[in-house]
Amino acid sequence: GAVVSQHPSWVICKSGTSVKIECRSLDFQATTMFWYRQFPKQSLMLMATSNEGSKATYEQGVEKDKFLINHASLTLSTLTVTSAHPEDSSFYICSARSSQGQPQHFGDGTRLSIL
Amino acid sequence: QKEVEQNSGPLSVPEGAIASLNCTYSDRVSQSFFWYRQYSGKSPELIMSIYSNGDKEDGRFTAQLNKASQYVSLLIRDSQPSDSATYLCAAGTPFGNEKLTFGTGTRLTIIP
Repeated sequence: GAVVSQHPSWVICKSGTSVKIECRSLDFQATTMFWYRQFPKQSLMLMATSNEGSKATYEQGVEKDKFLINHASLTLSTLTVTSAHPEDSSFYICSARSSQGQPQHFGDGTRLSIL
Repeated sequence: QKEVEQNSGPLSVPEGAIASLNCTYSDRVSQSFFWYRQYSGKSPELIMSIYSNGDKEDGRFTAQLNKASQYVSLLIRDSQPSDSATYLCAAGTPFGNEKLTFGTGTRLTIIP
């Protein structure tokens, strides 16, 4: 149980492209989903928290106009990196949680490379 | 600022021995604690969750929590080469969206 699917796994695209990443909870309803970024040899950095039907809450220093988050249903959240640039290249990972106090379960991550 | 601290390692343990991973947290209101395993290039995988003081066992894994000392640990018995990974400790607070604060992880290597 508690499977989270993230798609795509890899994205390589040109600078200026917008990229959409999907995160789905397959066997449970996720009231809250989280988006993280991880640079090589560093720990997870929380970018934003999204609750179904609400606007996402962004962490300090994360540009909400750059990283658009939509949590349209209890099983789907999307992260769109708009006008991506090489410095946006990173490993983006989503997680989902059914309710407070329960563990976050992670998707497989999306490795984004901007040329 | 909420912090979760871990020894970054690397921690090398012979196969079959007990690996002991430690974590301290600074926010006293933290109520939930998790250990995740992350293989290189992969996303974190939940190993254990613990909410109450004491020990919690699941197979070869035992999590220990001491809220008075703000200390969490993970013991891995009969260590296997497949246990070689980075182990992330995380603490959650019971407010708002209950974000998790992650430690930087301890890199564990099991030596065959």
